[in-house]
Amino acid sequence: DAKTTQPNSMESNEEEPVHLPCNHSTISGTDYIHWYRQLPSQGPEYVIHGLTSNVNNRMASLAIAEDRKSSTLILHRATLRDAAVYYCIPRRQNQGGKLIFGQGTELSVKP
Amino acid sequence: GAVVSQHPSWVICKSGTSVKIECRSLDFQATTMFWYRQFPKQSLMLMATSNEGSKATYEQGVEKDKFLINHASLTLSTLTVTSAHPEDSSFYICSARTGGLGNYNEQFFGPGTRLTVL
Repeated sequence: DAKTTQPNSMESNEEEPVHLPCNHSTISGTDYIHWYRQLPSQGPEYVIHGLTSNVNNRMASLAIAEDRKSSTLILHRATLRDAAVYYCIPRRQNQGGKLIFGQGTELSVKP
Repeated sequence: GAVVSQHPSWVICKSGTSVKIECRSLDFQATTMFWYRQFPKQSLMLMATSNEGSKATYEQGVEKDKFLINHASLTLSTLTVTSAHPEDSSFYICSARTGGLGNYNEQFFGPGTRLTVL
């Protein structure tokens, strides 16, 4: 499995942008980079995924480094509801698409 | 997005008893379901992968005789914790995925089941 490194925790102010980094230097060429988040006492929720190009959806943007060894999840305007643990997960196709969770980054949002 | 439900949402049982947890995909057919366990302040740990109609594949270190998984239909998988002990107390989460093994298939997670063994 590709190993990931994320900050244990980050803080943000409400209405400000948040950049959540992830290092995945051992990622293979066919691994998609997935981001999920988990609110307290809930199951994880899909945020976004990408392979090489930057991706945008209604929840967030994903910026992928040219060498694919790192990526950054961008929340454009943090809200209190975005307080969660964010997981960056390279998903290997030949493992049946299993999602192997690392420690993630706990994001707190201050009003 | 698709919805995955779990039942019960929480359960308390006595040591030595067995507990069954259900995971259902409500509006799609799930060819593959996954079971995770999460202890407080820790990340999710994948326990097993189950494909409809076949035996589950367990991750290293997970006792298959203790954690029985059945995936008898495309919308239902069950996890039975047999002879539960206090150390089995945890948050159990299932997820479901449609289609084949391609990376583009999104996984949908259930809300989790909190198991407390007294």
